[in-house]
Amino acid sequence: SQQGEEDPQALSIQEGENATMNCSYKTSINNLQWYRQNSGRGLVHLILIRSNEREKHSGRLRVTLDTSKKSSSLLITASRAADTASYFCAVLDRGSTLGRLYFGRGTQLTVWP
Amino acid sequence: SAVISQKPSRDICQRGTSLTIQCQVDSQVTMMFWYRQQPGQSLTLIATANQGSEATYESGFVIDKFPISRPNLTFSTLTVSNMSPEDSSIYLCSVVQGTIYNEQFFGPGTRLTVL
Repeated sequence: SQQGEEDPQALSIQEGENATMNCSYKTSINNLQWYRQNSGRGLVHLILIRSNEREKHSGRLRVTLDTSKKSSSLLITASRAADTASYFCAVLDRGSTLGRLYFGRGTQLTVWP
Repeated sequence: SAVISQKPSRDICQRGTSLTIQCQVDSQVTMMFWYRQQPGQSLTLIATANQGSEATYESGFVIDKFPISRPNLTFSTLTVSNMSPEDSSIYLCSVVQGTIYNEQFFGPGTRLTVL
């Protein structure tokens, strides 16, 4: 399937450190979106990066996309305890006409004070 | 971005009963979707809610079990019918404004526990 796959499954760091999460996928995509989920609540949209883009920034977040390697990374700089959450990537297939997103299993990030 | 609300936020139900979940958006949206997230798992698409017509279901999901309505461009309901403990999940609606290539935003979710 076209499911995105995050790596690592779990990441534990200290406040102030940077956190990097990776996402891999299998086929051609139109875009890739990153989400955050706190403790089984709803998903918060972080960033959308399109297939013709290589890098995007939003505050302390930096997302890269390498379509040749079919991978993306999410970097959170100067992490805070409030960044503790699960992070998911989701891909929209290039040929999609229905808007269906394929989600990975997520990375559980824990930031210790 | 659209503001999405869901009701109820959580519920505990007995097996064999049904629960209807509402999703309300503060502006008209192109597409609405319903996802399920089982405990400790990722999100799985149940169906696309089509305005004025039958929903489009993903493989493994059927209308008799998960009837969906979408009477207008801002509102949709998902019913979980004849529930069993395996239906215990978080149910989330999501929306896209404009083209399907735009951001997909999610509601706060409904946490369902079936006893």
